[in-house]
Parts: sequence; C-alpha cells; structure tokens
Amino acid sequence: NAGVTQTPKFRILKIGQSMTLQCTQDMNHNYMYWYRQDPGMGLKLIYYSVGAGITDKGEVPNGYNVSRSTTEDFPLRLELAAPSQTSVYFCASSYEGVSTEAFFGQGTRLTVV
Amino acid sequence: DQQVKQNSPSLSVQEGRISILNCDYTNSMFDYFLWYKKYPAEGPTFLISISSIKDKNEDGRFTVFLNKSAKHLSLHIVPSQPGDSAVYFCAARAIQGAQKLVFGQGTRLTINP
Repeated sequence: NAGVTQTPKFRILKIGQSMTLQCTQDMNHNYMYWYRQDPGMGLKLIYYSVGAGITDKGEVPNGYNVSRSTTEDFPLRLELAAPSQTSVYFCASSYEGVSTEAFFGQGTRLTVV
Repeated sequence: DQQVKQNSPSLSVQEGRISILNCDYTNSMFDYFLWYKKYPAEGPTFLISISSIKDKNEDGRFTVFLNKSAKHLSLHIVPSQPGDSAVYFCAARAIQGAQKLVFGQGTRLTINP
C-alpha cells in the first residue's frame, strides 16, 4: 500500500553539487511525472515518462535529467545545482495520463546554498 | 504568462456553509480540467475532474462547474467540513493526448468551526 515513494524528504546542496531524487511506485502505472513547486506558485512539469524507456521534457527541464529503465522507478538527476533549483519536488504516477487521477509522493524539499 | 489563474490566494468559510473556489483560464484549447487538494507536507491528491464537453460534474460534496464561454471553472464544496482546510489547485490539459498540465497558483481554504 506504499503508492508513490520519494527519497529523500529534505536535502541541502551546495552550488555545483549533484544529486538524484529517487521515485518509485508500486501501482504498475505507465505514466510518471516530476513536478516542482516554488513558493506561492502552482506545480510546473519538469519531465514525464509514458512508459519504461520513454521520457520527454516538460515545461521547465533545464538543469535536470531523468531516466526510466523500469516501470517502477523514475529518478530525477540534478547535475550542477543552482540556487534557482531550490524548490519542493513532487513525483507522481497515473494509469492513463494526466486526465486521470495522478498519485503524488510526499515531496522532496531541496535547498541549494 | 499565467494561463491558469486562481485569483484568490485564500478563502475562509464557516463549517457547514458552501465553499466556492474559482479558476480562470486563457487558453481555449484546454480540453480537460482537474482539481487537486494539498495538505501541508504532503503531495497533492486528486479531487475531481471535468471534460470540456461537459458543464458540470458532481462527486459527493464536490461539484465542478465549467463555463467555457467565460473560460471559468469553479469548485463547490457543500457542506464544508474542517478536513477540507487545504490548498486547492486547478489544472488544465492543453490538448487531447498531451501529458502536460498547467496548474494555477492555488487557493488556501480555511474552514472555521
């Protein structure tokens, strides 16, 4: 009954460091998404995947990379952290695309200093 | 350019009364609209959705109304309960098959006892 699990929950990075945000789902969903939410703003799509081996850019992909080697996992990679990447990151999955219910993880609060 | 706008950052309603959350959009190509609810330190959860071919969808205490000519949708919660206190986001999909949602900034709803 885990749903979508994100790790870590919190992280502080120094400028220029890299890290991977992990996301895994146990609902056998084909569609997975990464969003970021800045204070007072709505969610913005970073990357999405419609199935294993297939990824595509969202609205704000610069500075991020993803991979989807399995149905369950969709990690998000930050290569050279910048202060502009300070945000809360949400991973989500859905069975049949964005017009159907998406299930979100609890989020990762990332601060870049 | 904010294509989906929630002009009220916050709303306070007495328990038992009706809560009405509003959302305006500018893109006439949006064909599907969704509402998500978010509690602090949690990921958003799906609430209700509506296709652009409909003008109303109801699910228990929640009803979404769509006025295409005004490019306006609203979420009605009747009766409002303390557990409804959360941030509500409306979101829209641009074209059928696309996997990108555009989110509004959110409205914080507080239900007072």
